[in-house]
Amino acid sequence: GAVVSQHPSWVICKSGTSVKIECRSLDFQATTMFWYRQFPKQSLMLMATSNEGSKATYEQGVEKDKFLINHASLTLSTLTVTSAHPEDSSFYICSAPYGRSGPQGDTQYFGPGTRLTVL
Amino acid sequence: SQQGEEDPQALSIQEGENATMNCSYKTSINNLQWYRQNSGRGLVHLILIRSNEREKHSGRLRVTLDTSKKSSSLLITASRAADTASYFCANKKSSGDKLTFGTGTRLAVRP
Repeated sequence: GAVVSQHPSWVICKSGTSVKIECRSLDFQATTMFWYRQFPKQSLMLMATSNEGSKATYEQGVEKDKFLINHASLTLSTLTVTSAHPEDSSFYICSAPYGRSGPQGDTQYFGPGTRLTVL
Repeated sequence: SQQGEEDPQALSIQEGENATMNCSYKTSINNLQWYRQNSGRGLVHLILIRSNEREKHSGRLRVTLDTSKKSSSLLITASRAADTASYFCANKKSSGDKLTFGTGTRLAVRP
């Protein structure tokens, strides 16, 4: 089945630094990828939709200058948390749609997540 | 918010028992999906049911959808300790729309 990977799986950084998280679709092309944030024991909240070759679409309340998204190829999207602060500590998960209808596929395959801790 | 509600928030059962989780949503949908998340991991797609379907089965999983009540249920039969995880419903208003997740149910299956 379709596989989505994320790197790194966990990262600890100092306040004020920037952290880049990669999301790759390993055996299929993804013109669209999604970035979610999840706090402990809570649901996933969509942060933004990453579009290959164009600007990302951010959800209301998500700062686009703080969470930079780049979708440079059909298999790679990156999320950069700039000037990270302790409140940015969270579990970040990406996903890519896959199915018979291609980029609009109803099924999403999720990466294993990246746990970010900002000290 | 479009986020759906799930009920119960947490469920603890004995191995071999059935587990039922319910999900409600707010607007008309194209499809509803159930996902499973083991602690600290990504989500795994379990089953998708479309708005014109009422029931679907996959192994020990049974999903129902009642569009008139804007609700769905996930039944796991003959539960196993390995079923311990969080379960999320998620819906799409249209095929190309984003997924909107419910609040999740944490299931614990005691050996």
